[in-house]
Amino acid sequence: DAGVIQSPRHEVTEMGQEVTLRCKPISGHDYLFWYRQTMMRGLELLIYFNNNVPIDDSGMPEDRFSAKMPNASFSTLKIQPSEPRDSAVYFCASSEGDKDVETQYFGPGTRLLVL
Amino acid sequence: SQKIEQNSEALNIQEGKTATLTCNYTNYSPAYLQWYRQDPGRGPVFLLLIRENEKEKRKERLKVTFDTTLKQSLFHITASQPADSATYLCAPSTGRRALTFGSGTRLQVQP
Repeated sequence: DAGVIQSPRHEVTEMGQEVTLRCKPISGHDYLFWYRQTMMRGLELLIYFNNNVPIDDSGMPEDRFSAKMPNASFSTLKIQPSEPRDSAVYFCASSEGDKDVETQYFGPGTRLLVL
Repeated sequence: SQKIEQNSEALNIQEGKTATLTCNYTNYSPAYLQWYRQDPGRGPVFLLLIRENEKEKRKERLKVTFDTTLKQSLFHITASQPADSATYLCAPSTGRRALTFGSGTRLQVQP
């Protein structure tokens, strides 16, 4: 398997623009996670899905952020409108879902810069 | 609130020595704890998982301990190599699917 795939790898946009980040989890994995990493706050969980259903979105910073998982092989994280403080690296991760304790497999991340 | 502490200062050691990284947590009782490695520009990669009823876990040159009384995990790399240079993240978890990560400790192994 190719692992978790994220696109784009880098995104530079201007404040106020809409940004869409994409993720393809590992085939057969039932859980998908979106994280954000900054120097100040470290790696933070934003939202996670189980079998395409959002389970916990308490980490989503505000209404400008939304995430969807229309099918088992695709998820998006959208920021609208974007702000400079959204600049960070956004990671997608997936896990199998058939064990009581599981490891997560991370994608390479999308580095977002909002000017 | 739950708090996870890892030494924010970089750890610099000589090649061949043992590196020891610390992960302390407060205000909760994790059922297991995971360690991940992160290289610059890449996502974290899983290394080891230890459960609360396990005192120690080993994998090749890696060793993890889990002391639920001290609320601490130690991560050891023996015979360290420059290729071990990276940031190491701990994630104590209560069993929910979601992970909460520490801020990580950067390890630099000098040749």
